[in-house]
Amino acid sequence: DIQMTQSPSAMSASVGDRVTITCRASQGIGNSLAWFQQKPGEVPKRLIYAVSSLQSGVPSRFSGSGSGTEFTLTISSLQPEDSATYYCLQKVGYPFTFGQGTKLEIK
Amino acid sequence: EVQLVESGGALVQPGGSLRLSCAASGFTLSDHYIDWVRQAPGKGLEWVGRSRNKAKSYTTEYAASVRGRFTLSRDDSSNSLHLHMNSLESGDTAIYYCTRPLKDGSAWWVGDYWGQGSLVTVSS
Repeated sequence: DIQMTQSPSAMSASVGDRVTITCRASQGIGNSLAWFQQKPGEVPKRLIYAVSSLQSGVPSRFSGSGSGTEFTLTISSLQPEDSATYYCLQKVGYPFTFGQGTKLEIK
Repeated sequence: EVQLVESGGALVQPGGSLRLSCAASGFTLSDHYIDWVRQAPGKGLEWVGRSRNKAKSYTTEYAASVRGRFTLSRDDSSNSLHLHMNSLESGDTAIYYCTRPLKDGSAWWVGDYWGQGSLVTVSS
């Protein structure tokens, strides 16, 4: 199985900060990567698919990049409502695997 | 409006069985793939399995942790899908979500629409 490792596991940042979360795959996954946001008590929400395609309705401050085995989710200007846990997911092959999550808190 | 509603979650003893259902409305389930994702209490997301659409003969894929114990089936007459879970273990305790993926070209991306989840607790 392909392992997905996110870093950091937790972080805090201030409103307006630029935030980057990294996801590393144990082998190349092409562009088969998505990012999800989950707030406490809510179902996950997909933000980005195919590395950098923004899901309809997601604010443009979210962006994704990367290739091969290293990928990043960037929030260009952190907002209070971005406090959540973020997960990456690879779907290049079965079984699909999520990263362990990055908990983002607002200072 | 697309809706997915899970049901069937319960407290079950280790070694027991349970069937979760995912009822779809607002679209024809047979045209779509469906994924199941679970989340143990306080833990991260885990992909459980996928049921492809009718055009792909409802073929299935499973995570290694559930393969051989869990089975996905469809009921076109009721526009629903079922997750049959056998030989349940404490590690299967989780909220189980059914989710409809986004079709983008030939790719199906997990997690376009989600149900609210169904809690399965495996404990004696």
